[in-house]
Amino acid sequence: EPEVTQTPSHQVTQMGQEVILRCVPISNHLYFYWYRQILGQKVEFLVSFYNNEISEKSEIFDDQFSVERPDGSNFTLKIRSTKLEDSAMYFCASSFNRENEQYFGPGTRLTVT
Amino acid sequence: QKEVEQNSGPLSVPEGAIASLNCTYSDRGSQSFFWYRQYSGKSPELIMSIYSNGDKEDGRFTAQLNKASQYVSLLIRDSQPSDSATYLCAVNSGTYKYIFGTGTRLKVLA
Repeated sequence: EPEVTQTPSHQVTQMGQEVILRCVPISNHLYFYWYRQILGQKVEFLVSFYNNEISEKSEIFDDQFSVERPDGSNFTLKIRSTKLEDSAMYFCASSFNRENEQYFGPGTRLTVT
Repeated sequence: QKEVEQNSGPLSVPEGAIASLNCTYSDRGSQSFFWYRQYSGKSPELIMSIYSNGDKEDGRFTAQLNKASQYVSLLIRDSQPSDSATYLCAVNSGTYKYIFGTGTRLKVLA
């Protein structure tokens, strides 16, 4: 069964450093998403991406964040200068269309020290 | 601000019983509704989707939607200890994102 994959599973970085989180969405899906979940809190939407551009972003997704689909399979989230409060689980998801179910990857645990 | 509300629990049920999980949402224009299961430290796993009023059954799971009351529920029949997890309600209001509730923690007691 096709699944969303994410790498790395755990990333530790120092405050102020740049990180790139990687995702491979399900191959025939057209919509891609990033969510995050701070420990003990709800899953929060960050950004959605369709047709090689951002279709929607949340207030959390400020200028420190960017997304890219560098090739036909990968989808990345970059945080330019990490802050302590960026520590969270980051989930990538994909769906075939906007109304359909979103399937989540296993997540990347980001720890900023 | 669009909200999705869930009782955080924990909801404790004995093995073999029916677990009933509830969710309310604030945006009357919401169009699609989803239940996810999340084990501790893991990612959300899709259980069911529901798009129209009424019941939708899939194995031991039944989702129920009432758009007039802005209410969606999930019933788990014959609950098993392996069903112990946090159940997340997610709502799509026709935009490019889901809004999640905080989740209800379910404990199935053996």
